[in-house]
Amino acid sequence: RKEVEQDPGPFNVPEGATVAFNCTYSNSASQSFFWYRQDCRKEPKLLMSVYSSGNEDGRFTAQLNRASQYISLLIRDSKLSDSATYLCVVNERQTGANNLFFGTGTRLTVIP
Amino acid sequence: GAGVSQSPSNKVTEKGKDVELRCDPISGHTALYWYRQSLGQGLEFLIYFQGNSAPDKSGLPSDRFSAERTGGSVSTLTIQRTQQEDSAVYLCASSTGLGWDIQYFGAGTRLSVL
Repeated sequence: RKEVEQDPGPFNVPEGATVAFNCTYSNSASQSFFWYRQDCRKEPKLLMSVYSSGNEDGRFTAQLNRASQYISLLIRDSKLSDSATYLCVVNERQTGANNLFFGTGTRLTVIP
Repeated sequence: GAGVSQSPSNKVTEKGKDVELRCDPISGHTALYWYRQSLGQGLEFLIYFQGNSAPDKSGLPSDRFSAERTGGSVSTLTIQRTQQEDSAVYLCASSTGLGWDIQYFGAGTRLSVL
């Protein structure tokens, strides 16, 4: 069983559409959550942290559901430049051991 | 520079040769991670260093892989007797190891084993 699971996609959406991704995690004790973005042949970069109360950054909204152990990312008014792979990351904070787990990513393509 | 620096950016080697990949983390970051990413695949955890603690080597795929971190800063990932299946992008990330522990990635080393 994977620590973090995501639908790999691809999600192909027209410009201006709203798209949502979900990610589930297995460890209920996980403490911090992130969405990273990875462009083709580039390194992952932090898109946003996911707080318990949910948070919004422009067209991007992230939410956490601890009871069901998933996080979500909503992108409104999609732009061509949003095309990328979105990685879900969960921090389990195990002392002395690797505590960050990455999903395999969800690929988004925004079509003109 | 302010970011994570990796070198070389590209490495082409012959099967059976040893390679060394270098990572220079963000100054002051105590945590350092190595990952491997094959074409079109997700990140595969390799090894994790945190301060002076013993590294978590649980992700290393074989004993041909090793890594060290000298002086709590620069890290070197060594692959001995490289195989074609070692071809991938090797990514290094560093973080403060505290709080939300956001990871910052280097641009990676693209390794091609012929």
